[in-house]
Amino acid sequence: AQSVSQHNHHVILSEAASLELGCNYSYGGTVNLFWYVQYPGQHLQLLLKYFSGDPLVKGIKGFEAEFIKSKFSFNLRKPSVQWSDTAEYFCAVKGGYQKVTFGTGTKLQVIP
Amino acid sequence: KAGVTQTPRYLIKTRGQQVTLSCSPISGHRSVSWYQQTPGQGLQFLFEYFSETQRNKGNFPGRFSGRQFSNSRSEMNVSTLELGDSALYLCASSLAKTGGNTGELFFGEGSRLTVL
Repeated sequence: AQSVSQHNHHVILSEAASLELGCNYSYGGTVNLFWYVQYPGQHLQLLLKYFSGDPLVKGIKGFEAEFIKSKFSFNLRKPSVQWSDTAEYFCAVKGGYQKVTFGTGTKLQVIP
Repeated sequence: KAGVTQTPRYLIKTRGQQVTLSCSPISGHRSVSWYQQTPGQGLQFLFEYFSETQRNKGNFPGRFSGRQFSNSRSEMNVSTLELGDSALYLCASSLAKTGGNTGELFFGEGSRLTVL
């Protein structure tokens, strides 16, 4: 079975601060990895994805994530956050014919 | 291109009643997944359908059921509602092939169920 762990449940940052949200997964084979974001009052949407190839993937709004296979990690980063980045962020994994499994989410609050 | 449409958006039921939620996927998407979202629990997987067949099922009691129609629209049903069933129920569609979907999901806005 696959699982996902997000280490931070609630993060508070000032605008222009750097962001890194941790995500670790467990699965014994090849995986597809995702970060989804849910802005206040909006539906969940894809932020970025990793299927194969370059382990550093870039998504929308300046976000990026790095897949480190040896650490089973897929951490989300952004060099300088904005107030509009306030949202809940979910890491997700899909291995083989498995369902997509989500982490419990990290609420990011950016203070102007 | 229209997104994933879920109806109803909000509903209030009492314990013991049943509820049916509907989901229309993005045109051309043949895979539909359902999730239950609650504060602190994140997204809990309910089921996944592809071409009218249930492909994956989560760890929910038998009171939770679903189906998919030939036009890819999907419904989920919860019978004998309990207070703990209060949640946001999310439907997501995916451009899946016979061998499975990539995991890239397109979500609807959800149906918020309150059980009193």
